[in-house]
Amino acid sequence: DIMMTQSPLSVAVTPGESASISCRSSKSLLHSNGITYLSWYLQRPEKSPQLLIYQISNLASGVSDRFSGSGSGTDFTLKISKVETEDVGIYYCVQFLEVPWTFGGGTKLELK
Amino acid sequence: EVQLVESGGGLVQPGRSLKLSCVASGFTFSNYGMNWIRQAPGKGLEWVAYISSGSSYIYYAETVKGRFTISRDNAKNTLYLQMTSLRSEDTALYYCARFSWEPGFDYWGQGVMVTVSS
Repeated sequence: DIMMTQSPLSVAVTPGESASISCRSSKSLLHSNGITYLSWYLQRPEKSPQLLIYQISNLASGVSDRFSGSGSGTDFTLKISKVETEDVGIYYCVQFLEVPWTFGGGTKLELK
Repeated sequence: EVQLVESGGGLVQPGRSLKLSCVASGFTFSNYGMNWIRQAPGKGLEWVAYISSGSSYIYYAETVKGRFTISRDNAKNTLYLQMTSLRSEDTALYYCARFSWEPGFDYWGQGVMVTVSS
């Protein structure tokens, strides 16, 4: 199975500042078709997860452009610019290269 | 508006069975793969099972293989998860989620709680 490792476990951010979350996979997520199957989700408190970014850097419909994704191969980063109250929650990366699809352990974002 | 509504959860004894349902609306259900994903209390997300749009492809996590069965009825816009030989470690909030290769799990239901305890 592909292991997904996120860091840090938690991050506290002052509103208006930026935050970065790292996700590392145990195997390259680049498919032979040239697509890298790495997505990011946000789970707000007591809510279902919400898709933020897919294929490393593509913003999902309706998602604020304060969110951006980058990376390649096995190392990926989610950046949140100008953090707002609504950004509080747990962020997960997930790989869709191979079954079983696997999630990172999550990174909790809190406000200072 | 895409909606996924799960039902069928509850308290069940170890070793017993339970069947979850997920009713879809707001999109052409028969065009999409579907998944079950679970979250144990206070824990992260775990993918459980996938079924393709026409039920040709079905995959399971090793933790549930042989005990859980995913199925769908496209005429009823409904996804199912038959769970047998339930264990305490199956206690979780179970989400159904729509899948397509480009975005991944793009829509999720609100989840249904399954508690396995004597």
